[in-house]
Amino acid sequence: DAGVIQSPRHEVTEMGQEVTLRCKPISGHDYLFWYRQTMMRGLELLIYFNNNVPIDDSGMPEDRFSAKMPNASFSTLKIQPSEPRDSAVYFCASSFLPGTSGAEQETQYFGPGTRLLVL
Amino acid sequence: AQKITQTQPGMFVQEKEAVTLDCTYDTSDQSYGLFWYKQPSSGEMIFLIYQGSYDEQNATEGRYSLNFQKARKSANLVISASQLGDSAMYFCAMREGGDRDDKIIFGKGTRLHILP
Repeated sequence: DAGVIQSPRHEVTEMGQEVTLRCKPISGHDYLFWYRQTMMRGLELLIYFNNNVPIDDSGMPEDRFSAKMPNASFSTLKIQPSEPRDSAVYFCASSFLPGTSGAEQETQYFGPGTRLLVL
Repeated sequence: AQKITQTQPGMFVQEKEAVTLDCTYDTSDQSYGLFWYKQPSSGEMIFLIYQGSYDEQNATEGRYSLNFQKARKSANLVISASQLGDSAMYFCAMREGGDRDDKIIFGKGTRLHILP
């Protein structure tokens, strides 16, 4: 399996521009998670989906952030307009349905991340 | 209150020595899962090991083992015979039980430096 795929790996943009981050989860996984990592705040969960439906978006910082999952193999995280404080590494992760015992069902597998710099 | 506490922000260890990274957790659930992830300087998050709350034996994966002490709510990661490539950030994480609670909560991490 190719693992979780994210694109782009690096993004440099100017303040005010729209940024779209993309994620392809591991085939067969029911859950997809978007995280943001910064030095100051560590790893933060932004939003997660179950079977393409957003379950919890309480971590989304503000209305400038939006996420979609149009099908089981693709998700986007969009920032519009972007600001310098959005600079961070954004991770996508996927997992099977948790709640059943066993590492395979419980574990979230992470993509390589998108390193975003907003100037 | 923090759900996951990693008290060692940084550690320096001589190559080939064993390393113990501390992790304590806080939950009132009976069913939960504990995880350790490694994040090298390249940035990716690598899953290392998992322990279920009902697992009676400590989890092991190669040189990694999880010292699970349920009564103390402790889930320390032990790395035997450390290598230079073990230098990285290590995160302890927990998924609590409960209905439809699908999130994993991460600690703030411990940065491990292996010295040659």
